[in-house]
Amino acid sequence: EPEVTQTPSHQVTQMGQEVILRCVPISNHLYFYWYRQILGQKVEFLVSFYNNEISEKSEIFDDQFSVERPDGSNFTLKIRSTKLEDSAMYFCASSEGWDSSYGYTFGSGTRLTVV
Amino acid sequence: GENVEQHPSTLSVQEGDSAVIKCTYSDSASNYFPWYKQELGKRPQLIIDIRSNVGEKKDQRIAVTLNKTAKHFSLHITETQPEDSAVYFCAANSNSGYALNFGKGTSLLVTP
Repeated sequence: EPEVTQTPSHQVTQMGQEVILRCVPISNHLYFYWYRQILGQKVEFLVSFYNNEISEKSEIFDDQFSVERPDGSNFTLKIRSTKLEDSAMYFCASSEGWDSSYGYTFGSGTRLTVV
Repeated sequence: GENVEQHPSTLSVQEGDSAVIKCTYSDSASNYFPWYKQELGKRPQLIIDIRSNVGEKKDQRIAVTLNKTAKHFSLHITETQPEDSAVYFCAANSNSGYALNFGKGTSLLVTP
């Protein structure tokens, strides 16, 4: 079964540092997403991305966040200057259709710890 | 964003019993309602979903019901097994269709 791959699985960074989280979506999927989950809390939508553009973003996705598809396979989330409250599990997801009803496939996540 | 309320937050049942988890949503434009199972430290995995043109859907021991008028949807697990123990999240799509808004999760424990 095709998988969404995320690297690294765990990243520890100092407050104020930039981090880049990487994702390789399923190859025939065209729609990409980032979600985060603070420990013990619900999964929260950050951003959706299609055709090299952000299609929707939440209020969490402020100017400190950016996304990019630098080549034909990777999809990245950058946090410019990390804060303690950015510590969370970050999940990438992809789907083949334009809206969520096509079903997401989530990656295994990157646990970000900001110290 | 849209509010999705989920109850209960924890649920403990004995093996073989049924479990029911309920969710409500606020945005009448929502038309897609998936349920995810998340085991500790792992990714959310889709277990069943329902669209607004259907009132009920069943897949073996799992069923989902939807009441669009009341904006309620529920997950029913019958003949529970210890391996059903996990956190279950309901979700509803946003009015744009792109995002999923998740409930806070229900921690289900099935005891042998």
